[in-house]
Amino acid sequence: DIQMTQSPSTLSASVGDRVTITCRASQSISRWLAWYQQKPGKAPKLLIYKASTLESGVPSRFSGSGSGTEFTLTISSLQPDDFATYYCQQYTSYSRTFGQGTKVEIK
Amino acid sequence: EVQVVESGEGLVQPGGSLRLSCAASGFIFSNYAMHWVRQAPGRGLEYVSGMSSDGGSTYYADSVKDRFTISRDISKNTLYLQMGSLRVEDMAVYYCARSNGWYSGIDYWGQGTLVTVSS
Repeated sequence: DIQMTQSPSTLSASVGDRVTITCRASQSISRWLAWYQQKPGKAPKLLIYKASTLESGVPSRFSGSGSGTEFTLTISSLQPDDFATYYCQQYTSYSRTFGQGTKVEIK
Repeated sequence: EVQVVESGEGLVQPGGSLRLSCAASGFIFSNYAMHWVRQAPGRGLEYVSGMSSDGGSTYYADSVKDRFTISRDISKNTLYLQMGSLRVEDMAVYYCARSNGWYSGIDYWGQGTLVTVSS
């Protein structure tokens, strides 16, 4: 299976900060990558798919980029509601794997 | 309104079996790929199994291959996960979810159902 590695595992930031999370694939996945946000005790929420397409209703401060094996999720100005854990997921031909997650904490 | 609702929560001994169900509503079930994703206590998300929209293709994580079986009943708009030879490491919240085709993000998730494996 394709392995997905996120960095950092934990990120401490303040409201208003620009935040970037990186996700690397063990082999090329083209642009078949999604990003999710999860809060404690809740199901994940889709933020971005196909590497850079914003899901309907997701604030424009979230953006995604990348292709091949390296991808990034950027939050342009961190808001109080954004403190959560973020996961990347690849979805290639009949294979899906998640990264290990990045927890965004209040600094 | 789109909804996916899991059921089948339970406590099972190691080596035992359990079947989870996922009732879908608010969308045309046969037009969507369906998935099971799990999360062990305090851990990250793990993709478990998926079925294509036409039901012709299925996928299993190596950790559950040959022990779990995904299936669906179109007439009941229900997805199933039959779990066998359960291990302590299978203990997790299991989420049912859908995507608009295989090559798409998972856009709707259930609330999750807890599977406890313990003697």
